[in-house]
Amino acid sequence: DAKTTQPPSMDCAEGRAANLPCNHSTISGNEYVYWYRQIHSQGPQYIIHGLKNNETNEMASLIITEDRKSSTLILPHATLRDTAVYYCIVRRYSGGGADGLTFGKGTHLIIQP
Amino acid sequence: NAGVTQTPKFRVLKTGQSMTLLCAQDMNHEYMYWYRQDPGMGLRLIHYSVGEGTTAKGEVPDGYNVSRLKKQNFLLGLESAAPSQTSVYFCASRKWTGGSETQYFGPGTRLLVL
Repeated sequence: DAKTTQPPSMDCAEGRAANLPCNHSTISGNEYVYWYRQIHSQGPQYIIHGLKNNETNEMASLIITEDRKSSTLILPHATLRDTAVYYCIVRRYSGGGADGLTFGKGTHLIIQP
Repeated sequence: NAGVTQTPKFRVLKTGQSMTLLCAQDMNHEYMYWYRQDPGMGLRLIHYSVGEGTTAKGEVPDGYNVSRLKKQNFLLGLESAAPSQTSVYFCASRKWTGGSETQYFGPGTRLLVL
């Protein structure tokens, strides 16, 4: 799986959009971009994933650049409950492969009131 | 659905003692995982299972054993606990849907080895 680079921490005001960047310049054509988050002391939670098209669900939007070397997770209206560590993970489509997720240190997003 | 549950939530052991951590999932997932998380770090894979009766080593398997006797349960054992095994342990199960996956994590077990 390709390596990812994320800023260690970010601040965002409550009610504003939080934009979390991720660099994955060595991504290959069959690798997906996944985002998980971990709220303090809890287990990680799946947010969203994508291959090359932009994706949106009830939690967030994922914007992947055309060359797929970077992506941005967008939380449209951040709340205090969105304070967490956000992990960007590049994951090979392995047709059923079983290996676990590779977590880096992620970005600690702090939502300010 | 309870999702993924873990027992116990917290445990203190003395060096050399043994214990078993239990993970249970009610989503009928084939794949299950055990991770550990040390302070300020991301999760690291200990062992995983692709189905009942099968297990495999992950990134940091030394000092741990696992068993998957039933599809819904995945057990992590420490035969002789060491202070280096002080950590938070997370279990996960995986939903696979045609080319992409979602892992569902339990709430964690906090283990302190003195």
